[in-house]
Amino acid sequence: QSALTQPPSASGTPGQTVTISCSGITSNIGSNTVNWYQQFPGAAPKVLVYTDNQRPSGVPDRFFGSRSGTSASLAISGLQSEDEADYYCVAWDDSLNGWVFGGGTKLTVL
Amino acid sequence: QVQLVESGGGVVQPGRSLRLSCAGSGFTFSKAGFHWVRQAPGKGLEWVAVIWYDGSRKHYADSVKGRFTISRDDLKNTVYLQMNSVRGEDTAVYYCVATGTIDSWGQGTLVTVSS
Repeated sequence: QSALTQPPSASGTPGQTVTISCSGITSNIGSNTVNWYQQFPGAAPKVLVYTDNQRPSGVPDRFFGSRSGTSASLAISGLQSEDEADYYCVAWDDSLNGWVFGGGTKLTVL
Repeated sequence: QVQLVESGGGVVQPGRSLRLSCAGSGFTFSKAGFHWVRQAPGKGLEWVAVIWYDGSRKHYADSVKGRFTISRDDLKNTVYLQMNSVRGEDTAVYYCVATGTIDSWGQGTLVTVSS
């Protein structure tokens, strides 16, 4: 059981907006920023969003992160077939003194 | 350009030891903290350990505490993960992550625990 809770799957059709949620508690998301990673099969995770809502250079502005209270979310607008991947949220946990990950969400583009 | 290269993975018998290395380049190594994160086959990401930029603090996941040790050698720009008393559930791809404004990940090294 992961410390952060994500839906195991999400789906949408091209052009739609999909939102992936990430739920935590006070000691992690409630106190620290959230990063989001995108991972394709056989590849290392790639930073998609850092510090809640910042995008690294090269990441399209179709990806939008936000955090409120003990929850965070990743919205993907203008869904494209190449967005089909696994998405993970992560935050530092002050009680565990370590990172806690969400269980991952498999995004399918229908 | 930040680069992290993990090495040392392979097949190891249960109860034996293995040391993973992570060589960094393209950034000020001594100013970065490092995590090890693992991913079992077909599973999600699991945090393993962290070492502070100055080595002053180290923390471990409960699943590896007492068996794994994280360390660093800033002269060699390398972070290590000493894995002792390995178990089948330690089978995973192990990633090295350098912390900064934007975290950087290596490509991972596969550890298979099997007799």
